[in-house]
Amino acid sequence: GNSVTQMEGPVTLSEEAFLTINCTYTATGYPSLFWYVQYPGEGLQLLLKATKADDKGSNKGFEATYRKETTSFHLEKGSVQVSDSAVYFCALSDPGGSQGNLIFGKGTKLSVKP
Amino acid sequence: DTEVTQTPKHLVMGMTNKKSLKCEQHMGHRAMYWYKQKAKKPPELMFVYSYEKLSINESVPSRFSPECPNSSLLNLHLHALQPEDSALYLCASSQDLWRVTYEQYFGPGTRLTVT
Repeated sequence: GNSVTQMEGPVTLSEEAFLTINCTYTATGYPSLFWYVQYPGEGLQLLLKATKADDKGSNKGFEATYRKETTSFHLEKGSVQVSDSAVYFCALSDPGGSQGNLIFGKGTKLSVKP
Repeated sequence: DTEVTQTPKHLVMGMTNKKSLKCEQHMGHRAMYWYKQKAKKPPELMFVYSYEKLSINESVPSRFSPECPNSSLLNLHLHALQPEDSALYLCASSQDLWRVTYEQYFGPGTRLTVT
């Protein structure tokens, strides 16, 4: 079946460090891929998305590229800030199903220290 | 406007109470969702409405009863809950249920505690 695997962390970085959170997926067909972020005590916010191979999603300095050959969608940011501390979820939309089949990874907690 | 609103923000209820969670969106989205999220876990899908009709029910106990009065509103009626139902309840919406390129927009959630 379809699945998402992401590094579970927690990840602790110093301010201005480079961030990579790995995400790989298993899916039939051509899923859409998403990164959501959840700040403490809040709901999920869409961070970025990519809907086809080689698409690059970007937002707020974060980037991720849809790599079909490696079935990956790694999240990167060149210089993290304390305000980036949150839980990050990688997710895919099941192309064989519906939006109801939004499949999440387990989440990666990021802590950024000043 | 990409906002999904949820009320109340916090709810404490006893196991014999009846309460309701409310969700609203004004983006013209035709699919709306209820998720349950336990601490340090990803959201788990509970129900999906498409064009105001229940499309997906993920084998949720009958003590949870969803309702979609119109295209902008989604309710979750709660009755005789158990302490293990304590969680963050998230509402989400998307433009259409069947286009997988459409993202879901989430509300801030209702933190439910069952005593």
